Amino acid sequence: DAMVIQNPRYQVTQFGKPVTLSCSQTLNHNVMYWYQQKSSQAPKLLFHYYDKDFNNEADTPDNFQSRRPNTSFCFLDIRSPGLGDAAMYLCATALSTGGQPQHFGDGTRLSIL
Amino acid sequence: GESVGLHLPTLSVQEGDNSIINCAYSNSASDYFIWYKQESGKGPQFIIDIRSNMDKRQGQRVTVLLNKTVKHLSLQIAATQPGDSAVYFCAENRAGRGSNYKLTFGKGTLLTVNP
Repeated sequence: DAMVIQNPRYQVTQFGKPVTLSCSQTLNHNVMYWYQQKSSQAPKLLFHYYDKDFNNEADTPDNFQSRRPNTSFCFLDIRSPGLGDAAMYLCATALSTGGQPQHFGDGTRLSIL
Repeated sequence: GESVGLHLPTLSVQEGDNSIINCAYSNSASDYFIWYKQESGKGPQFIIDIRSNMDKRQGQRVTVLLNKTVKHLSLQIAATQPGDSAVYFCAENRAGRGSNYKLTFGKGTLLTVNP
């Protein structure tokens, strides 16, 4: 009964070739987050949506974009992936941004050739 | 023992022992804290949370202690089982840009349970 679903689980792309990762949720949560997690490191927040309001982290590269067409879906677009973008990408949802737990999907492992 | 650099701090325990995982947080204005468990190849899984107006909270086999004076958080796991082997992250909820709160994760601790 997965509530935050990420597809695909594994994605391989070529250096510089745009790639889109997807996330869907059945929780009807207001907030959706995208994190990047590299090996043996903590998740690093890239950006989040509160409803349709987009909030970018100051150190998120311009290469990373996001779209949220409706409550249930959120996409992460990497316009020109570099070797350093190889990582696990995690999507999370929450009812609100303060004082509420975030619920994570199982991530998409992105490899760059 | 604890490692520095890119290696995760590690804790190795025997099955059946109690485990204590520690976390120091940085912002005294943080008002909400969460412990997550992350198994290999999976996303972080919520274990337990605590608000800053409490100093202890108990769940099933887990207890979280909060010491605001020294900005320290701990997770105690009773009767540790092999299935508890994972990386454990603490996270603090603090104000981000535009007064939107965000979670900031600690570096994580790798718990290994030996049968």
